[in-house]
Amino acid sequence: GENVEQHPSTLSVQEGDSAVIKCTYSDSASNYFPWYKQELGKRPQLIIDIRSNVGEKKDQRIAVTLNKTAKHFSLHITETQPEDSAVYFCAASKNGNKLVFGAGTILRVKS
Amino acid sequence: ETGVTQTPRHLVMGMTNKKSLKCEQHLGHNAMYWYKQSAKKPLELMFVYNFKEQTENNSVPSRFSPECPNSSHLFLHLHTLQPEDSALYLCATGHTNTGELFFGEGSRLTVL
Repeated sequence: GENVEQHPSTLSVQEGDSAVIKCTYSDSASNYFPWYKQELGKRPQLIIDIRSNVGEKKDQRIAVTLNKTAKHFSLHITETQPEDSAVYFCAASKNGNKLVFGAGTILRVKS
Repeated sequence: ETGVTQTPRHLVMGMTNKKSLKCEQHLGHNAMYWYKQSAKKPLELMFVYNFKEQTENNSVPSRFSPECPNSSHLFLHLHTLQPEDSALYLCATGHTNTGELFFGEGSRLTVL
């Protein structure tokens, strides 16, 4: 089955700097890669996703890149703000079924 | 409010107790999921229901028993749990094949 590795486990950045979180997946048949943000005590919420027919997707300060050959995808947050502090999870699946999640990255944005 | 409601939000139970977690959705989704979230571990998929039929049991011990009586409700029945089962149990819903999951707030379970 699918296995998703996520790095780093914790990330501290200064407000205004960029943050990058990386994930690798094992199943070449996976074609859907979402990112979820979970604030302390809250539910995970989708922030951006990408499908295997595109290499990059951007939504304001957030972008995701996908390298199908290398089987890795990354989340990029620019101009970080304190409210970006949360746990971020990457995930992978085939056709949106049975998402397999990474272990999560705790992002701390220091002001 | 994402339309997925879980009760209770917190539950403390002994190893010999029987309790149930409830999930209710008002989004019209056909797929419902139970995930387990433990500290420093990935979200673990436990069960998947599509159109009220269980389509996935991810090697979950029999002390966890899911039930999906209709497309709006999902239960997780708990019996003779172990302390290591203490975790946040998240219900999620979505449309099969579209990908996005909508999570509930979770039920924080503590097994003494």
